[in-house]
Amino acid sequence: QVQLVQSGGEVKKPGASVKVSCKASGYTFTSYGISWVRQAPGQGLEWMGWISAYNGNTNYAQKVQGRVTMTTDTSTSTAYMELRSLRSDDTAVYYCGRVGGGYCSSTSCPRGWIDPWGQGTLVTVSS
Amino acid sequence: EIVLTQSPGTLSLSPGERATLSCRASQSVSSSSLAWYQQKPGQAPRLLIYAASSRATGIPDRFSGSGSGTDFTLTISRLEPEDFAVYYCQQYGSSPPSLFTFGPGTTVDIK
Repeated sequence: QVQLVQSGGEVKKPGASVKVSCKASGYTFTSYGISWVRQAPGQGLEWMGWISAYNGNTNYAQKVQGRVTMTTDTSTSTAYMELRSLRSDDTAVYYCGRVGGGYCSSTSCPRGWIDPWGQGTLVTVSS
Repeated sequence: EIVLTQSPGTLSLSPGERATLSCRASQSVSSSSLAWYQQKPGQAPRLLIYAASSRATGIPDRFSGSGSGTDFTLTISRLEPEDFAVYYCQQYGSSPPSLFTFGPGTTVDIK
């Protein structure tokens, strides 16, 4: 079955960086995009960005643009999200998710719904 | 950027009742590119509905989605105990940079 397994929780100090991994299995990794979504404690869902696992093209939300980098390693079917210059308001559970809507190709990579989701990674930023 | 508004914020109902959740967009959502998710405490969101009205794999038929343009609805025909949760709508029809946006969520709790 399609599954995304994320790395474990992290505790970071303000100003540091964090890199969360998301290992995919059960499907052809390069045929889909991956989105990253975060959820601050007690809050709603916030989309952070999207990456095509086919060719590495990315789109980032304006709120984190300049501090976030999303990459993939197709040899291990793993996506990564690195967030730099961490602040206390970056404390959240970070989710990856496979983006549906069709297969990626050389001409397009659909940006549809998110399914399935990884289990989430809690990143705590505290001095 | 398309802003999504969900109403009501909280819906207090009893098992067996019908739940109607609303999601309104600040501008038309292209190609009915709207999804609904369910999230329970301590769990990742789960896809219920995509393309406004298509049920995801394994989702019971008591869940249905409708709407187009700027107004969308998620209906749960008869609430089961496991349906009490938070529900989010999400649009995915925008152009970059704001490809996806989520609504603030509706909590369905037990009356």
